[in-house]
Amino acid sequence: GQNIDQPTEMTATEGAIVQINCTYQTSGFNGLFWYQQHAGEAPTFLSYNVLDGLEEKGRFSSFLSRSKGYSYLLLKELQMKDSASYLCAVLDSNYQLIWGAGTKLIIKP
Amino acid sequence: IAGITQAPTSQILAAGRRMTLRCTQDMRHNAMYWYRQDLGLGLRLIHYSNTAGTTGKGEVPDGYSVSRANTDDFPLTLASAVPSQTSVYFCASAGLATNEQFFGPGTRLTVL
Repeated sequence: GQNIDQPTEMTATEGAIVQINCTYQTSGFNGLFWYQQHAGEAPTFLSYNVLDGLEEKGRFSSFLSRSKGYSYLLLKELQMKDSASYLCAVLDSNYQLIWGAGTKLIIKP
Repeated sequence: IAGITQAPTSQILAAGRRMTLRCTQDMRHNAMYWYRQDLGLGLRLIHYSNTAGTTGKGEVPDGYSVSRANTDDFPLTLASAVPSQTSVYFCASAGLATNEQFFGPGTRLTVL
C-alpha cells in the first residue's frame, strides 16, 4: 500500500528552527510537495522537490532523498504566524497526490 | 472570480437528502479534484477529472458522483447523504505545467 508518515504534532519556540520530517512509500514517485494549512483554511503550496537535495525559499527549505524515501521541511526564524499544520504529499505514478495526515506545529513565545 | 470558489461555505443536511457541492475555477486548469478532510486523517481523494468530459474515482468514491461538463466547473453530488459523510470538502485544480494543486476555501458539511 501507499503510506506517508509525518509526526502528528511538534512544538517550537518563536525565533528558533524546526525540522518536520516525512517518510513515504508509494507506487512510483513524481515529486514531493509541502503545503501549509492554517486552522479552518485551505492548504497553500510551500515547496516542490523532484530531485535529491535542498530547495531554499526564504525562511523555508525542503530536502529530498529519493533513495531513502525521505523529506524534511525546515523552518527558520519561526514566527507566531507559522503556527499551522504542514502537509507532506507525494505525486505517485498516476500523477495523483498521496497525502500525509499533517504535522500540527505549535509556536510558543 | 479569482482562483477557485466553492459553495456553500457550510451546510447542515438531514440524512437521506441529496446535496450538490459546487466548485468553479477561473485559471483554465485542466485537472480538478475533490477531497475530504477528516480529523487525524490526510486529505483523501474522492473523484478527479484530468480534463473536461472525463472523470475518475479516487480513494473514497462511494456515495459520491461528479461531472465535468466544462473546464471551469466540477460539482460533487451526494445522492443520499449519510452521517459518515460529515467532513470538510475541498476542491482543487492543477495546470499541466507544475502539478501544483490550488485549493478552494472548503465546504464544511454536517449530516445529521
